[in-house]
Amino acid sequence: DGGITQSPKYLFRKEGQNVTLSCEQNLNHDAMYWYRQDPGQGLRLIYYSQIVNDFQKGDIAEGYSVSREKKESFPLTVTSAQKNPTAFYLCASKRTDSSGANVLTFGAGSRLTVL
Amino acid sequence: AQSVTQLGSHVSVSEGALVLLRCNYSSSVPPYLFWYVQYPNQGLQLLLKYTSAATLVKGINGFEAEFKKSETSFHLTKPSAHMSDAAEYFCAVSHPSGGYQKVTFGTGTKLQVIP
Repeated sequence: DGGITQSPKYLFRKEGQNVTLSCEQNLNHDAMYWYRQDPGQGLRLIYYSQIVNDFQKGDIAEGYSVSREKKESFPLTVTSAQKNPTAFYLCASKRTDSSGANVLTFGAGSRLTVL
Repeated sequence: AQSVTQLGSHVSVSEGALVLLRCNYSSSVPPYLFWYVQYPNQGLQLLLKYTSAATLVKGINGFEAEFKKSETSFHLTKPSAHMSDAAEYFCAVSHPSGGYQKVTFGTGTKLQVIP
């Protein structure tokens, strides 16, 4: 079955460490996204990529970095510059349906806790 | 600018009762509107979407939503709640435009179903 795989599911980090969250898709979608979810705040866009070797900052990109070297992969690095990194991180890819609407498919998420 | 407001961060209903989750949108042009569901520690799953084809939209698991332009609303309903409906529900909006379509999410409504 096609889908999005995020790993690890749970991750613990000490302050000052960089960590990388993996996101792999086999849906053949061009566009991929990273969201951050905090209780009561909904989903906030960190970065997005519409094609390979191109990506754009979202609303809360500070302290994060991404790469898009392959269509299938869009890893997110949470750097030590991110002041409050404890959150649930969601990766998504996009398809455009027959009406022109962008429909997102999400991975199961990665929960990062800073100790 | 586009936005969605979900009224009520928590909603409780009895099993078998009507489910009504409220969403109001703000958009300068006719929008695309979505409802997604999230089960604990999972990603989001598309329930239904409105793309101007019909104002009453039917989705998965017996849910439906009605687009009301005069009220700028897109409320989610289900005639009879099941225990399995307990989850968090997100309303989202995007604009029909070429290229990148930003999807803006509401802050979510947690649905509790009481036996």
